[in-house]
Amino acid sequence: GAVVSQHPSRVICKSGTSVKIECRSLDFQATTMFWYRQFPKQSLMLMATSNEGSKATYEQGVEKDKFLINHASLTLSTLTVTSAHPEDSSFYICSAPGQATDTQYFGPGTRLTVL
Amino acid sequence: GQQVMQIPQYQHVQEGEDFTTYCNSSTTLSNIQWYKQRPGGHPVFLIQLVKSGEVKKQKRLTFQFGEAKKNSSLHITATQTTDVGTYFCAGGTARQLTFGSGTQLTVLP
Repeated sequence: GAVVSQHPSRVICKSGTSVKIECRSLDFQATTMFWYRQFPKQSLMLMATSNEGSKATYEQGVEKDKFLINHASLTLSTLTVTSAHPEDSSFYICSAPGQATDTQYFGPGTRLTVL
Repeated sequence: GQQVMQIPQYQHVQEGEDFTTYCNSSTTLSNIQWYKQRPGGHPVFLIQLVKSGEVKKQKRLTFQFGEAKKNSSLHITATQTTDVGTYFCAGGTARQLTFGSGTQLTVLP
């Protein structure tokens, strides 16, 4: 099946710094990718939809200036958490729509800890 | 907007016992998908149901889609320790998924 990778898998940073997370579709092209955030023992919450060649679409309540998304190619989307604070600590997961199926393929996730 | 609720939130069972999680949507769904997330892992697609009243089986797992396409269930027969994880239902399409709150299953050996 389709494979989606994420890098890094874990990151610890100081408050006020910026962190970039990469999401790649390894064996298929993805004009759209999705970024989710998952707090401990909670469900996945869609943050934004990343669109290749155009601006990302953000869900209500998600600050576009804080969570910068760039979909530079058909296989890469990046999420940059700017000026991270401890409350941004979470599990960030990207996904891409399936090609032949009406499903999403998820990356392994990035666990962000902001000290 | 669309809301998808799941119950129970947590379930502890003894190995060998059965387990069921229920999913309810506030709106009619075009399809329902089920995902499993192991502790520390990411969601993995299990199955998709599309038709009203559809029932699908995967070994010990039985998935059902309600007649009104607003609810669904996942039933595991004779749980094993490998079944541990959180099971999420999700409604929508590949372009727009709304995840349920999830049911965290613990299987005691």
